[in-house]
Amino acid sequence: AQKVTQAQTEISVVEKEDVTLDCVYETRDTTYYLFWYKQPPSGELVFLIRRNSFDEQNEISGRYSWNFQKSTSSFNFTITASQVVDSAVYFCALKLSNYQLIWGAGTKLIIKP
Amino acid sequence: EAGVTQFPSHSVIEKGQTVTLRCDPISGHDNLYWYRRVMGKEIKFLLHFVKESKQDESGMPNNRFLAERTGGTYSTLKVQPAELEDSGVYFCASSPLGAGYTFGSGTRLTVV
Repeated sequence: AQKVTQAQTEISVVEKEDVTLDCVYETRDTTYYLFWYKQPPSGELVFLIRRNSFDEQNEISGRYSWNFQKSTSSFNFTITASQVVDSAVYFCALKLSNYQLIWGAGTKLIIKP
Repeated sequence: EAGVTQFPSHSVIEKGQTVTLRCDPISGHDNLYWYRRVMGKEIKFLLHFVKESKQDESGMPNNRFLAERTGGTYSTLKVQPAELEDSGVYFCASSPLGAGYTFGSGTRLTVV
């Protein structure tokens, strides 16, 4: 099966807390890409990161970091010192060799002031 | 550089009517994709154009949906006749060959 699972439907934290959004994927492809997108209340899908299957290095971009572990088929996303502006729906997606994106159901993140 | 533009941003139509959604990709992006998210479900692939050719339309739900990309520039997605279950948000994305996707803001379609 080709599938992305975001088990957390909704997460609510208080501002400045760290929060991790989980993403687990399944694929038969040996070469694939993983993505995270943010969907703020305005509705657009904002690209955050792309990671290919051969690059297991973790990535940090400001307050955002990503942990890619092929052994557990996971690509988790952590926001450090969360801010109210981080409130959004976050999607994890898997790009297959046929260029299709397989999406997780999304995690709604609520950051309370 | 202008991003991916979709319009209308919202459309409310009655069941049985026709609606046409438009997507203007980033200039020079050969790849254009349509996705949709119906209420409460995951975002699903609809189809993929490379220039004006349909590369993959395996996600098109039925023959009430027709996508075109004349001249390899903008694309239209027509739903005729619309049904209640077509309600959702339709996203368009474009990309150069082998690179990541840039999405538009989506069109929220409501069929009543």
